[in-house]
Amino acid sequence: EAQVTQNPRYLITVTGKKLTVTCSQNMNHEYMSWYRQDPGLGLRQIYYSMNVEVTDKGDVPEGYKVSRKEKRNFPLILESPSPNQTSLYFCASSFYPYDRRNYGYTFGSGTRLTVV
Amino acid sequence: AQRVTQPEKLLSVFKGAPVELKCNYSYSGSPELFWYVQYSRQRLQLLLRHISRESIKGFTADLNKGETSFHLKKPFAQEEDSAMYYCALRTTGGGNKLTFGTGTQLKVEL
Repeated sequence: EAQVTQNPRYLITVTGKKLTVTCSQNMNHEYMSWYRQDPGLGLRQIYYSMNVEVTDKGDVPEGYKVSRKEKRNFPLILESPSPNQTSLYFCASSFYPYDRRNYGYTFGSGTRLTVV
Repeated sequence: AQRVTQPEKLLSVFKGAPVELKCNYSYSGSPELFWYVQYSRQRLQLLLRHISRESIKGFTADLNKGETSFHLKKPFAQEEDSAMYYCALRTTGGGNKLTFGTGTQLKVEL
């Protein structure tokens, strides 16, 4: 089954303790992206990658890091989490360059992160 | 910069009533618009794209470039339509980025 897999689904951590949220896709997609979803703010892009070893900042990159060493994986790293990073995080992937014949983003199930 | 506006945070309708979820965008070029749906505690799923001009689950949306709108419509709401709906914009030259609106929670009451 074609899918984007995120782990963990839920995570509670303490301020300053480094964590990694993993994202893996099995569709051979070039493009991968991380979004955070907050009430009243919708989805905001954190980082994206157009292919292996190519990453760039989205709209809200502060406090996050990413890497793209393999095509299928795109982990999100919080080096020193803070309470304002408490949010619901989604990973997404698609083909790139964009092809109008494909169907846009495929999203993961989300990771609900709480930083106390 | 591109922007997507969904003016209603919550829209409550009775079953069988017509539904219209509003979406306006600002972008000077040629946009590509999408509607995504998120059912309770599930991932976002693509509902429809303006270039497809299709009807999915009874929903339709027409791109109106003059009014810069892409409203989502359904003639008769069903209980299973209750969900969060996001309008999204992809811009040419913007890589593959989707810019999302803040979402509208649709609640269909019996």
